[in-house]
Parts: sequence; C-alpha cells; structure tokens
Amino acid sequence: KQEVTQIPAALSVPEGENLVLNCSFTDSAIYNLQWFRQDPGKGLTSLLLIQSSQREQTSGRLNASLDKSSGRSTLYIAASQPGDSATYLCAVLYTGANSKLTFGKGITLSVRP
Amino acid sequence: EADIYQTPRYLVIGTGKKITLECSQTMGHDKMYWYQQDPGMELHLIHYSYGVNSTEKGDLSSESTVSRIRTEHFPLTLESARPSHTSQYLCASRGPRAEAFFGQGTRLTVV
Repeated sequence: KQEVTQIPAALSVPEGENLVLNCSFTDSAIYNLQWFRQDPGKGLTSLLLIQSSQREQTSGRLNASLDKSSGRSTLYIAASQPGDSATYLCAVLYTGANSKLTFGKGITLSVRP
Repeated sequence: EADIYQTPRYLVIGTGKKITLECSQTMGHDKMYWYQQDPGMELHLIHYSYGVNSTEKGDLSSESTVSRIRTEHFPLTLESARPSHTSQYLCASRGPRAEAFFGQGTRLTVV
C-alpha cells in the first residue's frame, strides 16, 4: 500500500532554531512530492514542489530535499520564527495513482518566542 | 498566487437542507478535487475530476455529489444535510507541473 508518514506528530522549538521536518513514503515510483502549510481552520498553502528528477528545492528560509531511493523527504526551516507555527503536510503523487495525492497526517509545529 | 476560490467560507444550516459548496479556479486546470477534513485530523479525498464531464468518487465514502460542467467550476452538493456532515471541505486543483493548489475551505456546521 502506498503511504506517507510524518513523524513526530508535533514539535515545539524556541525561536531562532534551525529545524528539519521529515516525510517518509513507501514506494519510490513517485511523480513528485509537495510540502504544504496549513494554519488552523484554513486551506493548504503550497510551499515547495519537488519533481521526481530533482534533489531539492529552495524558497527563502525553506529548503526541501528528496531522496527517492530511501523514500524520504525533509523540509528544512532556517532561523524559525513564531509566524512559522502551523501544521506542515507532505503529499506524494505516486505514478499510476490516477492523479490522486497521498497525504501524510502532518506535523504541528510550534515556535516559542 | 493560486487563484482558486471557495464560497461560502462558513455555513451553518439546519438538518435536511440541501446545500451546494462552490469551488472555482481561474488557472485552466483540468484536475480538481474535494477533500473533507475534521479539526486536527487528516485530509480525506471524497471526489475528484479529470476534466469536463468527468467525476470520480474518492477514498472516503461520502453522501455528497459533484458535477463538472465547466473547467473552472466544481461544485459539491449535499441533498439533505445531517449533523454528521459537519466538517471542513477543501477544494483543490492541479496544474500542468502537477503542483496542487487549495482554496481556503468551507467550514460547514449542520445543526
């Protein structure tokens, strides 16, 4: 079964810390992987998209990496701020998945001032 | 900035009423999706569409129905709302680079 796992479910860090959020997937036959941010009661905001042929993508303080052989992606957040507090979701588009994204359950991040 | 819109943002409605949640996108995306999400819980796919006149049921059984008459419009309808339908409904579309974009969601409460 094609699954996406995000551990831990919650994380609390002090402001200014560099942090890594992990995402694991069970099948290396992926089309792409996307990281989202969700604030309480809101929709999902796309942060970074990594195609299967890419190793990483960067946007501002965010860097996402992809290692298909190990079934892992990481989202690196540099110099975390209280405004980064949100739930971060990883979603994989598996090849042959009839266009359906497979989501992890998300990591709820709290950045303490 | 993604151009995908959901209305209404919040809706409180009585049991037995018929409701339609609207979703529109101006990006010309063929693929569109409806997800259901309870507070603090994971997303569940309830409907999706490959394009005009295409609709498919998702992974989670739902009493709602959808239609896709125009590329930009993917409404979701509940014929008879029940308290068990109380949830947040999220609409998404996917572009040619396969990047998915989400609307802000509709928070539905059935009393």
